[in-house]
Amino acid sequence: NAGVMQNPRHLVRRRGQEARLRCSPMKGHSHVYWYRQLPEEGLKFMVYLQKENIIDESGMPKERFSAEFPKEGPSILRIQQVVRGDSAAYFCASSSSPNTGELFFGEGSRLTVL
Amino acid sequence: EDQVTQSPEALRLQEGESSSLNCSYTVSGLRGLFWYRQDPGKGPEFLFTLYSAGEEKEKERLKATLTKKESFLHITAPKPEDSATYLCAVHSFGNEKLTFGTGTRLTIIP
Repeated sequence: NAGVMQNPRHLVRRRGQEARLRCSPMKGHSHVYWYRQLPEEGLKFMVYLQKENIIDESGMPKERFSAEFPKEGPSILRIQQVVRGDSAAYFCASSSSPNTGELFFGEGSRLTVL
Repeated sequence: EDQVTQSPEALRLQEGESSSLNCSYTVSGLRGLFWYRQDPGKGPEFLFTLYSAGEEKEKERLKATLTKKESFLHITAPKPEDSATYLCAVHSFGNEKLTFGTGTRLTIIP
C-alpha cells in the first residue's frame, strides 16, 4: 500500500531552465495539494487540485508556475525559467476527501537552482 | 488571513524530561487544528486533529489540547526517537488549505 510518491527527490537546474515535479497520490485519493517549504520557514500552500480540475491556486505565483492533475497519471508541478529564489523543498500531499486537514505527505522534491 | 505562531522555535530536553509546545492561532472560523511531525529530509506525518475548545487527543507520549486561542502539545517522559520538528496547522471554514506554523524543533538528549 504505497504512500504518496514524489519524484525526483532531488533536482538541480540552472537559472532559466524548467523544473517538473511529479506526484502520485495514495491509492484511492483524488485530492492533491502542493506545498513549498523554504529553510527556516513553514510550509506554504501553493495549489489544490482534483482530477482534471484546479480548485484553489491562490498560493501559486502568477507567473512561471503551473500545476495539473490529469485523468490518468501523476500530478505535475511545473516551474518555467527557474530563478534562485525557487530553490526549496516542494511537498505533495493527498487526501481521500475534500475539506480535510488530515493530509498524507510525500517525501518531497528538493529543487536547487544554480 | 489565518495565522499560526509556534513557540519555542527549538527545545532541547533530557530523556524523560516532560514539557509542552505551544501553538497560538488566529482564524475567522476554526474548522480544525492539526499537529504533524516532520523528521529531517522527510514529509510531515499526521498526528492529531482537534476540532473544538476543550478537546484532547493522546498518542503514546504525546497529548494535544485545544483552547479558543491556542493548542498545546504535551510530551511526557520523551525518548530520543521523539526528536523531530512538530508542526501545527489550522484549517478554517471557506478555505481549502492548511496554514502551517514554522514548527518547534525538538531534540531529546539520551
